[in-house]
Amino acid sequence: DARVTQTPRHKVTEMGQEVTMRCQPILGHNTVFWYRQTMMQGLELLAYFRNRAPLDDSGMPKDRFSAEMPDATLATLKIQPSEPRDSAVYFCASGPGVNSYEQYFGPGTRLTVT
Amino acid sequence: QKEVEQNSGPLSVPEGAIASLNCTYSDRGSQSFFWYRQYSGKSPELIMSIYSNGDKEDGRFTAQLNKASQYVSLLIRDSQPSDSATYLCAVFTGGGNKLTFGTGTQLKVEL
Repeated sequence: DARVTQTPRHKVTEMGQEVTMRCQPILGHNTVFWYRQTMMQGLELLAYFRNRAPLDDSGMPKDRFSAEMPDATLATLKIQPSEPRDSAVYFCASGPGVNSYEQYFGPGTRLTVT
Repeated sequence: QKEVEQNSGPLSVPEGAIASLNCTYSDRGSQSFFWYRQYSGKSPELIMSIYSNGDKEDGRFTAQLNKASQYVSLLIRDSQPSDSATYLCAVFTGGGNKLTFGTGTQLKVEL
């Protein structure tokens, strides 16, 4: 059963702390996306990769957020320092990429910054 | 103007009725269209994709695409309480692999 996995599922941290979220895309998928979802803003694209190369991170606050793909089985999203306004659900999604634009979402990381 | 627009709802339908969810998009060059279902507290789940004008059926779900009018719809026949969720429309308009998502329509199927 191929699924996107994300860790941790829940994270509560204090303002100013570093937060790292991890994602394992579906094996064989070559595109990976990071989204943030809040009630007010809906689903926002933060960054995405194709074949591990970052293609677009224009949705990310550059001063505090960073996204990487150290290898084909791991994508990371870091926030440093975290702020209360970063509280949201962060989703990772992956897609086959080649001639297909479908995306499959992981279960998400619910982040609360106090 | 938002690129992908959906009525936020909630759309309430009685059990057994047909639920009709609509989505309009602004980029006439859009090529691929997707419907995602998101239960409260869960992640979006891909339920339908459509690429050509016309209808595409999958079980109780039918996706309809009209590129000339720039709208895509999702019909759910014999609606069940388990269909109660938020339905997100997503559009691929070219340029990388990005999808543009609508804000979603909340569907409530009432007993």
